[in-house]
Amino acid sequence: DQQVKQNSPSLSVQEGRISILNCDYTNSMFDYFLWYKKYPAEGPTFLISISSIKDKNEDGRFTVFLNKSAKHLSLHIVPSQPGDSAVYFCAASFLSGGSNYKLTFGKGTLLTVNP
Amino acid sequence: DARVTQTPRHKVTEMGQEVTMRCQPILGHNTVFWYRQTMMQGLELLAYFRNRAPLDDSGMPKDRFSAEMPDATLATLKIQPSEPRDSAVYFCASGLVQGQPQHFGDGTRLSIL
Repeated sequence: DQQVKQNSPSLSVQEGRISILNCDYTNSMFDYFLWYKKYPAEGPTFLISISSIKDKNEDGRFTVFLNKSAKHLSLHIVPSQPGDSAVYFCAASFLSGGSNYKLTFGKGTLLTVNP
Repeated sequence: DARVTQTPRHKVTEMGQEVTMRCQPILGHNTVFWYRQTMMQGLELLAYFRNRAPLDDSGMPKDRFSAEMPDATLATLKIQPSEPRDSAVYFCASGLVQGQPQHFGDGTRLSIL
């Protein structure tokens, strides 16, 4: 039972254009969401997060949108740069879940930004 | 920047051998996580500790895997005996409080022949 799903294994965009990465979740108890970026042979690096009390969080070129009714979040990268080429993981957790610190990850989307 | 340090980075060994992976969390972080990444399953949580006490190891095969935190600067993940299906990249991550992101090490790439 995959609780966090990234249905697009890969995405290719042109430099300077917008990249939109999508993530769906099934557990309505999740209330904290994160995006991680991963380069080959390195560990995932935290990118941006959002709690369920918000529907948008922005950090520079990166914006995460949360649609709780649809159980959907998306990561927008504008403008996309070749250095953004990496695997992007969506993750979800329970901020209000007492001592539950678990992150549940999607399987990732490989983003390729072409010069 | 403070980093989570994992050793070894690569390990190749034969089936049946004991494997020990080590992790040094970021100084001051009180929560340590072990993940396994495979092509089929993606990133799976194996176990995690808070203040060196195990909180959840339900993701870990109990018969052959064990995780410990001998002290606040060292977490270990052991596999004994190892099997080819254990081949994967094992990541350690550390964090401070709930609601703050976990920080990952660069992983141990394990190959069991």
